Formats: sequence, structure tokens, C-alpha cells
Amino acid sequence: GAVVSQHPSWVICKSGTSVKIECRSLDFQATTMFWYRQFPKQSLMLMATSNEGSKATYEQGVEKDKFLINHASLTLSTLTVTSAHPEDSSFYICSAKRQDSTEAFFGQGTRLTVV
Amino acid sequence: SQQGEEDPQALSIQEGENATMNCSYKTSINNLQWYRQNSGRGLVHLILIRSNEREKHSGRLRVTLDTSKKSSSLLITASRAADTASYFCATVTSGSRLTFGEGTQLTVNP
Repeated sequence: GAVVSQHPSWVICKSGTSVKIECRSLDFQATTMFWYRQFPKQSLMLMATSNEGSKATYEQGVEKDKFLINHASLTLSTLTVTSAHPEDSSFYICSAKRQDSTEAFFGQGTRLTVV
Repeated sequence: SQQGEEDPQALSIQEGENATMNCSYKTSINNLQWYRQNSGRGLVHLILIRSNEREKHSGRLRVTLDTSKKSSSLLITASRAADTASYFCATVTSGSRLTFGEGTQLTVNP
């Protein structure tokens, strides 16, 4: 199957700093990438959908100025958590989809801890 | 908002037994997918069933879909300790957007 690599796997940062998470499709071109957030023992909540070369579409309640998403190429999307606060601590997961496929392939997730 | 609801929330069985997880949803769908997530890891796609299909098999997995009841079930036969994980259903209503259920935590005891 297709491989999606997410980096870093975990990160600890101080309150007020910004953190960038990368999501790469290694062996296919991802026309669409999705970013999810998952709290412990809960389901995945879609944060935003990004299409290569265009602005991301954010879900209701997700602050676009806080969670900056860039999908500059067909193999890379980034999520930047700006001015992070402890309540932003969570597990962030990306997924990528080929244009000709109904299946989305998931990265391994990033555990963000803001102290 | 999350469309899917899964039950049970947690299931504990012995190795060799079958595990059944259920998923209900609210709106019409294009397809329904099941995923597995090991603790602290990403999701692995297990199986996709389209809205015009009623049953699908993949190895030890059997998925059913009842669109009249807006529900699906995932059956894992002859479970193994390595099957211990969280299992999520996800519905696709339009495009490629996935809406996940709350998940079932399966524990298979050796």
C-alpha cells in the first residue's frame, strides 16, 4: 500500500512557541491531505482538508490562524500550531489521498505536548 | 461532528473467540470503512464496503452493511492477541471526507 510519513513522531514545546508537523506521501502524489486531532481514548476529529495549491478548508470551530496548513506540493503538507498552549496538547494525524482512489492513507501521528 | 456511533466502547475476549463491533450512522453514505489503530499510532485501513454492498470479507474480517438501518458490523474471527487495538468505522458521504465513529477498544487476552 501507499506510504505516508509524518514527522516528528512526538514533540514537546513551551507555551507560546510554534510547532510544525510535516506529512509526506512517499510513493504517490496526494491531491488531497487531511489533518485530524485525537484526544486520549477519543475518536479522530477532522480539522481541515487541504488540496495542493489552494487554501485549506477548515472545519467549524477550528481556528485557521492558529492551525496553519500549507500544501505546497503533491507530496507534502504541513500543519503549524502557532502560539501553542497546553490545551493544544494532542495527537495529530494526517492522511493523504490519491486523486484516483477512495482510500486514504494515514501517517503514524504526532504526539504534541505543550508545557 | 461525528456521525458514527460504535458499540461496544470496549470489548475484552479470549484468544480464539470471535469479536463483533457495531457502527451506526445518521446520513446516507457513499461507502463505509473500518480502520484499526494501535495505541499511540496512526490508522491502518482494514476494509471498505460500498453503499450497494451488503457483505465483504477479507481474511479473518467480515463486514456487513445495512443501509436501511444505517448500521455496519465488523466481525473478527478466531481472534489473536495481536488483534488488540482500537477499531473505528468511518463513513464517506461526499468527496473523500471521512467521518469517524467513537471507536471500540478491543482487548484479546492470550
